[in-house]
Amino acid sequence: DADVTQTPRNRITKTGKRIMLECSQTKGHDRMYWYRQDPGLGLRLIYYSFDVKDINKGEISDGYSVSRQAQAKFSLSLESAIPNQTALYFCATSSGQGNEKLFFGSGTQLSVL
Amino acid sequence: GEDVEQSLFLSVREGDSSVINCTYTDSSSTYLYWYKQEPGAGLQLLTYIFSNMDMKQDQRLTVLLNKKDKHLSLRIADTQTGDSAIYFCAEIDPSGTYKYIFGTGTRLKVLA
Repeated sequence: DADVTQTPRNRITKTGKRIMLECSQTKGHDRMYWYRQDPGLGLRLIYYSFDVKDINKGEISDGYSVSRQAQAKFSLSLESAIPNQTALYFCATSSGQGNEKLFFGSGTQLSVL
Repeated sequence: GEDVEQSLFLSVREGDSSVINCTYTDSSSTYLYWYKQEPGAGLQLLTYIFSNMDMKQDQRLTVLLNKKDKHLSLRIADTQTGDSAIYFCAEIDPSGTYKYIFGTGTRLKVLA
């Protein structure tokens, strides 16, 4: 079983709809992240959380919100989706100890029409 | 602000060596990383180098670090079709927040 699981894998929605992307992990890591990948732009950080009570904005947080329901769960919401939020979204975790290796989920491809 | 730059595409023939280059902006970064993204998958850590090292070798992979020029490279020897992927270099934001800064990714295509 995957250590970092994202659901759904693919989602097509319409402009203005509310969307939630979910992430769960079995690695026991405190730190969780949401990234967005766009061709030619690499990965950009949306939000990150270093423990259950800690939520921080990344470089592109506008239009997104997150919830850290438990150490193992970190969800990303688009309150009112718009077409330029069409992208590949990744959840990742890290241990917070020394060398900060990231462990990624398989991604959610979101299309906003 | 911080910026990590890579060329977008690289094409090599099977059996040749591939060299993927990266420039980064913050000389105080402690670790520098290479991640590999295969089609339809998330990123996986390929290798990393500590900033006090100049070179690290791991089987077919060689990482070279030139701190003076803020240049990082990944050499893949005897490139195989299974090496076709997107390769990202990354540094950790040295301001203490432990946020990663990723490059744009280099898409490596291996021709049979």
